[in-house]
Amino acid sequence: KQEVTQIPAALSVPEGENLVLNCSFTDSAIYNLQWFRQDPGKGLTSLLLIQSSQREQTSGRLNASLDKSSGRSTLYIAASQPGDSATYLCAVAGSNYKLTFGKGTLLTVNP
Amino acid sequence: DADVTQTPRNRITKTGKRIMLECSQTKGHDRMYWYRQDPGLGLQLIYYSFDVKDINKGEISDGYSVSRQAQAKFSLSLESAIPNQTALYFCATSETTTGANEKLFFGSGTQLSVL
Repeated sequence: KQEVTQIPAALSVPEGENLVLNCSFTDSAIYNLQWFRQDPGKGLTSLLLIQSSQREQTSGRLNASLDKSSGRSTLYIAASQPGDSATYLCAVAGSNYKLTFGKGTLLTVNP
Repeated sequence: DADVTQTPRNRITKTGKRIMLECSQTKGHDRMYWYRQDPGLGLQLIYYSFDVKDINKGEISDGYSVSRQAQAKFSLSLESAIPNQTALYFCATSETTTGANEKLFFGSGTQLSVL
């Protein structure tokens, strides 16, 4: 059974700092890995999707990497802003393309 | 208007009551999903549907049922609600693709409290 772990569970940083969120998974037989953002009272928004054959994806200040063999992914956020404060969720797609989610990292960026 | 709409946004009910949560989408996607999220836990898949005639159980389907009334509508029912079904419920959709590039789109969620 696939298990997804996210470290740290919570992170607080000053504005402008670069930061890394970590995600690990136990079964490397995945179709893709996705990073989501969740704001309080709102649904999840897809940030980046990395296919199993890819190593990384970039969108603006966000960069996600995937090392399938070691079962790891990182989400790098450059020059963090208070508006980046949210919970970030990692999910991997396995058989039948069903997603297994981590518990998330609660990020607070302080002005 | 949101692409994936869930109603109601909040619901408080009593143990033993029947509850229906509704989801509609304007994205034209074939695939729809129901997830539940508990504090401190990841999202868990309840049911999923790849088209109107294809409905499948997820990880935690006991105590729940679903109906896919049309491509755009997927409802979740709790036949006899119990307190441990108190959670945040999300509906999601995805477009049928090769799988490796399949992205999910979520509704805003329904907060359900069972007293």
